[in-house]
Amino acid sequence: SQKIEQNSEALNIQEGKTATLTCNYTNYSPAYLQWYRQDPGRGPVFLLLIRENEKEKRKERLKVTFDTTLKQSLFHITASQPADSATYLCALKFYNNNDMRFGAGTRLTVKP
Amino acid sequence: DTGVSQDPRHKITKRGQNVTFRCDPISEHNRLYWYRQTLGQGPEFLTYFQNEAQLEKSRLLSDRFSAERPKGSFSTLEIQRTEQGDSAMYLCASSLAGRGETQYFGPGTRLLVL
Repeated sequence: SQKIEQNSEALNIQEGKTATLTCNYTNYSPAYLQWYRQDPGRGPVFLLLIRENEKEKRKERLKVTFDTTLKQSLFHITASQPADSATYLCALKFYNNNDMRFGAGTRLTVKP
Repeated sequence: DTGVSQDPRHKITKRGQNVTFRCDPISEHNRLYWYRQTLGQGPEFLTYFQNEAQLEKSRLLSDRFSAERPKGSFSTLEIQRTEQGDSAMYLCASSLAGRGETQYFGPGTRLLVL
C-alpha cells in the first residue's frame, strides 16, 4: 500500500538557520505534492504546490524540491523565525484517488 | 470572512449518542472534503463531494458515519452511536475543481466522546 513518511516527528533549529523537512513516499508517484502548515487547534493552511514534472518551486523564504526518482520532496525554510514554529504536512495527490493523502507531519520549533 | 467555517468548534458527547457537524465551504468552491485527524497524525480522508454528489467514501469509514451536501453548498457529517475511538478533530476542506487544486481547510470540530 502507498506510504507517506515525513522525516521526523520534531525538528528544533536556531533562529536564522535553514530548516529542511523531508517527505518520502513509496510506490506510485503523485500527480502533484503540496505542503501545508498547521498550528495547534487549527486546520492546515496551504503553502506550496509542486507538480510531478517540476523540480523546484519557491515562494519568499520557502523552497520545495521534488525528485520522482528518489520519491522524495524537500521543504526548506530559509532565515527561519520563531513564528515559523508549527507542524508542516506534506500531502500527495495520486492519479487514482480524488483525495489528498497526508503525511503525519513534522513539528518544527525555531528557537530565538 | 469568506473562508471555510465549521460548527461547532468543540463537541463533548457520551458514548452512544449521535452528533452532527456542519461545514460551510468557500462559496464558489464545488468540491468539499471531510477529514479526520488524531493527535500526531495527518488528516485522514473520509469522504468527498463534487457539488451535491458524494463521489468517494473511504473504505475505513464505518456505516455509522454519513455525510450530505444537499444543495451543493454546506455539508453535514453525522456520526451515529458514537464510540470513544471517534474522538478526533474533524476537518472540512473545499476546493475548486481543476488541475493542481488547493484545498482550503476550516478550523475543525474537535469531538470528545466520553
